[in-house]
Amino acid sequence: GDSVTQMEGPVTLSEEAFLTINCTYTATGYPSLFWYVQYPGEGLQLLLKATKADDKGSNKGFEATYRKETTSFHLEKGSVQVSDSAVYFCALSELDTGGFKTIFGAGTRLFVKA
Amino acid sequence: DAGITQSPRHKVTETGTPVTLRCHQTENHRYMYWYRQDPGHGLRLIHYSYGVKDTDKGEVSDGYSVSRSKTEDFLLTLESATSSQTSVYFCAISEGQGGNIQYFGAGTRLSVL
Repeated sequence: GDSVTQMEGPVTLSEEAFLTINCTYTATGYPSLFWYVQYPGEGLQLLLKATKADDKGSNKGFEATYRKETTSFHLEKGSVQVSDSAVYFCALSELDTGGFKTIFGAGTRLFVKA
Repeated sequence: DAGITQSPRHKVTETGTPVTLRCHQTENHRYMYWYRQDPGHGLRLIHYSYGVKDTDKGEVSDGYSVSRSKTEDFLLTLESATSSQTSVYFCAISEGQGGNIQYFGAGTRLSVL
């Protein structure tokens, strides 16, 4: 079945450092790919998305490119801030017999130190 | 913010008791989902609904049932709660558009003692 694998955390960085969180997926069809972010005590919220191969999603300085040849969707940010400390989830969504289903990775916790 | 309300936000119950969690939306979205979040597992789908009275199982549906009698409400029931069902439960909704972006409620923290 479909699956999402993302790098284990926690990831600890100093402010203004470069961030990469790796994400790879397996899917039978042509899924859409997402990064969601979860701040303490809250639900997940969409960070960015890409719906087809070679699309680049971007938001708030974060970027990720849908790479079909490597089945990857790595999250990057050039200069992290303390306020980026959160848990990041990679996810894929595909149309199934009963409608859309979304599969989430295990999440990667990011700590950014001042 | 998407209009999604989960109730209760926190609940402590005893093993063997029935528990119902409610998700209410004001967005008129077609799809509704129940997930549980546990350390090391990310979010796992319990059940989902693709319309009124139309529901299907997710990957961890054993011990859970759901009902959707109205577009806006999706109920999750634990018929006889067990300690393994201690978790944080999230409801999500989606239109099925834009690749199926999901919008999440704030979560319900359930402890089964």
